[in-house]
Amino acid sequence: DTAVSQTPKYLVTQMGNDKSIKCEQNLGHDTMYWYKQDSKKFLKIMFSYNNKELIINETVPNRFSPKSPDKAHLNLHINSLELGDSAVYFCASSLSGSGNTIYFGEGSWLTVV
Amino acid sequence: GNSVTQMEGPVTLSEEAFLTINCTYTATGYPSLFWYVQYPGEGLQLLLKATKADDKGSNKGFEATYRKETTSFHLEKGSVQVSDSAVYFCALYNNAGNMLTFGGGTRLMVKP
Repeated sequence: DTAVSQTPKYLVTQMGNDKSIKCEQNLGHDTMYWYKQDSKKFLKIMFSYNNKELIINETVPNRFSPKSPDKAHLNLHINSLELGDSAVYFCASSLSGSGNTIYFGEGSWLTVV
Repeated sequence: GNSVTQMEGPVTLSEEAFLTINCTYTATGYPSLFWYVQYPGEGLQLLLKATKADDKGSNKGFEATYRKETTSFHLEKGSVQVSDSAVYFCALYNNAGNMLTFGGGTRLMVKP
């Protein structure tokens, strides 16, 4: 049983396209996240949702739009893809509160050509 | 704000060598501290964690102690294996931030 699953795992697309990455967790967590990992392996928070409400929205272009239809899902839609969007995108989830472990999906490798 | 600093890699060791990866942090309040590991081509896995000062997290032979006085959470292992080759991330979480803040990652390469 996969705890945090995201699809697709690999995505190659052209500049200007619109794409979505889906994420689902079956852990009963109330908080979900999107992180971006760049080519130097640096990890940065993009968004965080708690009980379907947006609580963190870091400095991310508004071409990126998260959507949380319910507590178990957090999808990421990206409009007008640019070369610089090429990265690995990680979905994660946890119970809210310090000390609780955040569980990560396996990542979605996005390449924009 | 919150920040995590860890030693830059790559760290290259021979099998059975002793490993230390340094990690220091800046945070408001009393954060929880984590080490995550990323094997090649895979996602992030929790390695160990500590939630309060002087706690020691341990897993798979790895250990780290939460040192509030030095704001550190150094990762150690007494005898590394080739299979430990991966990127290791130190991270903190506190309620003020409501998110994990990661260090830059340290690549470990273990040679037979």
